[in-house]
Amino acid sequence: ELKVEQNPLFLSMQEGKNYTIYCNYSTTSDRLYWYRQDPGKSLESLFVLLSNGAVKQEGRLMASLDTKARLSTLHITAAVHDLSATYFCAVDITGNQFYFGTGTSLTVIP
Amino acid sequence: DAGVTQSPTHLIKTRGQQVTLRCSPKSGHDTVSWYQQALGQGPQFIFQYYEEEERQRGNFPDRFSGHQFPNYSSELNVNALLLGDSALYLCASSFQGDPEPQHFGDGTRLSIL
Repeated sequence: ELKVEQNPLFLSMQEGKNYTIYCNYSTTSDRLYWYRQDPGKSLESLFVLLSNGAVKQEGRLMASLDTKARLSTLHITAAVHDLSATYFCAVDITGNQFYFGTGTSLTVIP
Repeated sequence: DAGVTQSPTHLIKTRGQQVTLRCSPKSGHDTVSWYQQALGQGPQFIFQYYEEEERQRGNFPDRFSGHQFPNYSSELNVNALLLGDSALYLCASSFQGDPEPQHFGDGTRLSIL
C-alpha cells in the first residue's frame, strides 16, 4: 500500500523566516501535487509537479520533486501570516487517484 | 464558470441510517472522485467514477457506494452509518487522463450521533 508521509506535522514559525516541508512517498510516481487547506475549507491546488527535477514557484512558496528519492519539498521563504494553513502533498500513481499525505499544519507568528 | 458543487453542506444522521451526498463537477470535467477526510487527517480516497462506472476504489467497505449520471454528476451513498463515518466528504472532479490537479468542492460535513 502506498504511504505518503509529511514532516513536520506541525510547524510554528515566525514571520520572515524560511522553512521546508518534506513529503516522502513509498512507490514510484512522477505526479505529485501540493494543496492548501484553510480551516473549515476545501483544498486549493498550489503546485503540479510532473517530472523528476521539476521546480515550481509562486510567491513565497517553491515546490520541487525528486522522483528517484521519492521526495518532494515545499519551501517557504520569508513567511507571512497569510500562509498559515494546512499543506498537503498528494501522489498520483494510477491516474486521478490521489494518495494524500498526513498534512502539515503551519502557523506563522507575527 | 461554476466549480465543483456539493450538497448538502452539513448533515446530521444517527447510527444505522443511510445517507446520499451529491456532487456536480466543474464544467468540462468528466471524472468524479470521492474522498473522506476525518478531523485532523488527510483525505482518503473512496472511489472514482468515469463513464458512469466505478473505475477505482480505495479501502472502504461495500457500505460505501456511488453512482455517476450521464451529465457527469455523482452521488455517494453510505448505508448502515457508523459513528466512525463522521467526517468531511469531499468530491473532486477532473478530466480523465489530464495531469492537471483535481478540483475539490467545499465538502459535506457528515455528523453521526
